[in-house]
Amino acid sequence: DAKTTQPTSMDCAEGRAANLPCNHSTISGNEYVYWYRQIHSQGPQYIIHGLKNNETNEMASLIITEDRKSSTLILPHATLRDTAVYYCIVRSKTGANNLFFGTGTRLTVIP
Amino acid sequence: NAGVMQNPRHLVRRRGQEARLRCSPMKGHSHVYWYRQLPEEGLKFMVYLQKENIIDESGMPKERFSAEFPKEGPSILRIQQVVRGDSAAYFCASSPPVNDQKETFGSGTRLTVV
Repeated sequence: DAKTTQPTSMDCAEGRAANLPCNHSTISGNEYVYWYRQIHSQGPQYIIHGLKNNETNEMASLIITEDRKSSTLILPHATLRDTAVYYCIVRSKTGANNLFFGTGTRLTVIP
Repeated sequence: NAGVMQNPRHLVRRRGQEARLRCSPMKGHSHVYWYRQLPEEGLKFMVYLQKENIIDESGMPKERFSAEFPKEGPSILRIQQVVRGDSAAYFCASSPPVNDQKETFGSGTRLTVV
């Protein structure tokens, strides 16, 4: 089920942009890239998703490469409250309804 | 609009007892999902339910585990004859009838089997 590869951990200075990469080289044409995060002891939180165009919302930006084999989640101004495990998930809009959470990237925002 | 409500937040059971975990989805949501997270691991899908129907239980252990989502009331994840390996955080998520696939998760129930 592991369709994505993410670094195990990353650090980011508070106030700087956090750029979290994700490789999904086997993504198919009808599959979206979703990002969730899990702050310690809480349930996962939806962040953003996209198909092929870059997306932005109030939480983050998602940059998807033209070949769609990789993407980057950008938190423009990281705060201490952004410290969490970030999961990149590939899923089809018409396929299985369950999410496959890999090991994610543990982002630590440093004061 | 209250989010997904799970209770209890913490549950301690002795080996061999039953554990009942409850999940009230967000208002207007009729799809419920249960996930289990073992210590230091990612979440693993267990079961997907709609009102009165189990849609996908491919992640449920074959024995001792059952789930329901009745017409009225919360969804229940039931674990019979608990063992130490059942100790985990159990998360419920819900989504609306037209599944926009932006599930909202609850805060989880942490089950400890002693």
